[in-house]
Amino acid sequence: AQSVSQHNHHVILSEAASLELGCNYSYGGTVNLFWYVQYPGQHLQLLLKYFSGDPLVKGIKGFEAEFIKSKFSFNLRKPSVQWSDTAEYFCAVNGDNTDKLIFGTGTRLQVFP
Amino acid sequence: DVKVTQSSRYLVKRTGEKVFLECVQDMDHENMFWYRQDPGLGLRLIYFSYDVKMKEKGDIPEGYSVSREKKERFSLILESASTNQTSMYLCASSSPGYEQFFGPGTRLTVL
Repeated sequence: AQSVSQHNHHVILSEAASLELGCNYSYGGTVNLFWYVQYPGQHLQLLLKYFSGDPLVKGIKGFEAEFIKSKFSFNLRKPSVQWSDTAEYFCAVNGDNTDKLIFGTGTRLQVFP
Repeated sequence: DVKVTQSSRYLVKRTGEKVFLECVQDMDHENMFWYRQDPGLGLRLIYFSYDVKMKEKGDIPEGYSVSREKKERFSLILESASTNQTSMYLCASSSPGYEQFFGPGTRLTVL
């Protein structure tokens, strides 16, 4: 069965620090990969996605993620975080020609001014 | 802009009650999904539907059922609510092969 691991459960950073959130998945076939973000009190929204092509994907608000097939990873990065990036971040994957998503357990990011 | 709406933001019910959670999307999406979100567990798929009157069990369907009589509407039913069904319930929709769009969620408390 597919699974998604997010090893960082809670990350605390100061503004302007660099961010990298880990995401690993277990599935050997073709996958689509997503990062979703949930700001406090708001609904889940798409940050970025990878379907095919360039493994370095750029998303909204300066976020990017790199798909490394050999490592089954899709880590999320941002060079300089802001207080407004405080949120919960979820990695998700689908494969097997299905639209069902498997989500990781999420990473709570707190950014202090 | 894609819009997914859920009938209630907050709901309080008693053990044994029948509970209906409604979800409506306005983008003519074929797929609709129901998840529950619990701290430390992420989102877990309860049921999804890929067409009207079609449904498929997700990872945690026990204690739940669904109904999709119209393309834009997907209902989650708790036949007899229990305290362990206290959770945040999220609805989503998508076109096949594309990303999912989420509603604001319904926080259900079962007393």
